[in-house]
Amino acid sequence: EIVLTQSPGTLSLSPGERATLSCRASQSVSSNYLAWFQQKPGQAPRLLIYGASSRATGIPDRFSGSGSGTDFTLTISRLEPEDFAVYYCQQYGSSPFTFGQGTRLEIK
Amino acid sequence: EVQLVGSGGGLVQPGGSLRLSCAASGFTFSYYSMNWVRQAPGKGLEWVSYISSSSSAIYYADSVKGRFTISRDNGKNSLYLQMNSLRDEDTGVYHCARVPKFSPADYWGQGILVTVSS
Repeated sequence: EIVLTQSPGTLSLSPGERATLSCRASQSVSSNYLAWFQQKPGQAPRLLIYGASSRATGIPDRFSGSGSGTDFTLTISRLEPEDFAVYYCQQYGSSPFTFGQGTRLEIK
Repeated sequence: EVQLVGSGGGLVQPGGSLRLSCAASGFTFSYYSMNWVRQAPGKGLEWVSYISSSSSAIYYADSVKGRFTISRDNGKNSLYLQMNSLRDEDTGVYHCARVPKFSPADYWGQGILVTVSS
């Protein structure tokens, strides 16, 4: 099983700042099948990034993903008020399709 | 518009059973694989199970293997999760999600609340 470790656990930033979230895998993620999701309270998760770096339909270009192998990053270039939420990475290359434990992005 | 509407949740005693359903509309259900993902209260996302479009490939998380069974009826555009021998730690919101080929889940249902408690 691939274990995904996200850091930091909580990130406190102000609107307009840049956010960098990390996801590290215990072994190489097959075909870089790494996704990022955003979840707000009481809502279903929303797909942001797939294939480590491709934006999903309708996702603003301030969201970008990078990385390969075992180290992946989600960057939000300029935080908007609606971006404060919990972010999860998930690998979907090999079963079990594990999630990271999440990073909470909060307003400073 | 893609819609995934879940049903079948509720309160059940430890050791009991529940069958969750997910009704799909707005897309050709038989073309897509599907996931179940759950979230315990105040906790993160946990992938539970996957079924391919034709039911030829089925996977489970170790935490539910042997107790849960995923299935689908393409003629009824429906996904199911039969949950047996339920435990306290199975409590949470269960989401069904659409999975395109070689992609992660792109549409999610709002979730079904399952509470396992005596």
